[in-house]
Amino acid sequence: SQQGEEDPQALSIQEGENATMNCSYKTSINNLQWYRQNSGRGLVHLILIRSNEREKHSGRLRVTLDTSKKSSSLLITASRAADTASYFCATGGAQKLVFGQGTRLTINP
Amino acid sequence: GAVVSQHPSRVICKSGTSVKIECRSLDFQATTMFWYRQFPKQSLMLMATSNEGSKATYEQGVEKDKFLINHASLTLSTLTVTSAHPEDSSFYICSARRRARDRGRLSEQYFGPGTRLTVT
Repeated sequence: SQQGEEDPQALSIQEGENATMNCSYKTSINNLQWYRQNSGRGLVHLILIRSNEREKHSGRLRVTLDTSKKSSSLLITASRAADTASYFCATGGAQKLVFGQGTRLTINP
Repeated sequence: GAVVSQHPSRVICKSGTSVKIECRSLDFQATTMFWYRQFPKQSLMLMATSNEGSKATYEQGVEKDKFLINHASLTLSTLTVTSAHPEDSSFYICSARRRARDRGRLSEQYFGPGTRLTVT
């Protein structure tokens, strides 16, 4: 069963705006990862945040983790058309990954 | 870098035939490879975990005899969909986990580009 649940399922914003996606999980984790998937393609690893970290940045990406609420968020700032993709959170680390349902992000020019 | 390839990228087959999908780690040795299935607009579902030189571990609900997995070397795992049916049409994605050099270091999974299987 899928551990992660993400919201929103779909998000459509204008280019330049910020996009925020949320992920919730059910069990204890060592880390949480975010991936991007362009339509019909494989997954690209974006960022990993460990359970003892609260926030992590990578370029225009900002990930937060709240282990007390078992939730994480991915913020993409100053969105671009090329950011249009599906975004998935995943837990499990080196062991098998369990993916959330994903958020389909559309950036409108 | 760590590159994982899949072949073929797309395949169309007739119902009842078998299809083999290859997953290769191109520039690293992968002790473990994972096979996922993804239906349209849905998330990835793990099908099985493949360890080099041993039998694959299948997730609950995945038929071992239908989805044959072989991990004969540290750079190649194959998934064979036997007696394919239209409901097997899906996007199949593999990932490979690099052999960890340092104890305690997380071994990231690297994903292939996926294979689109259409069974007619």
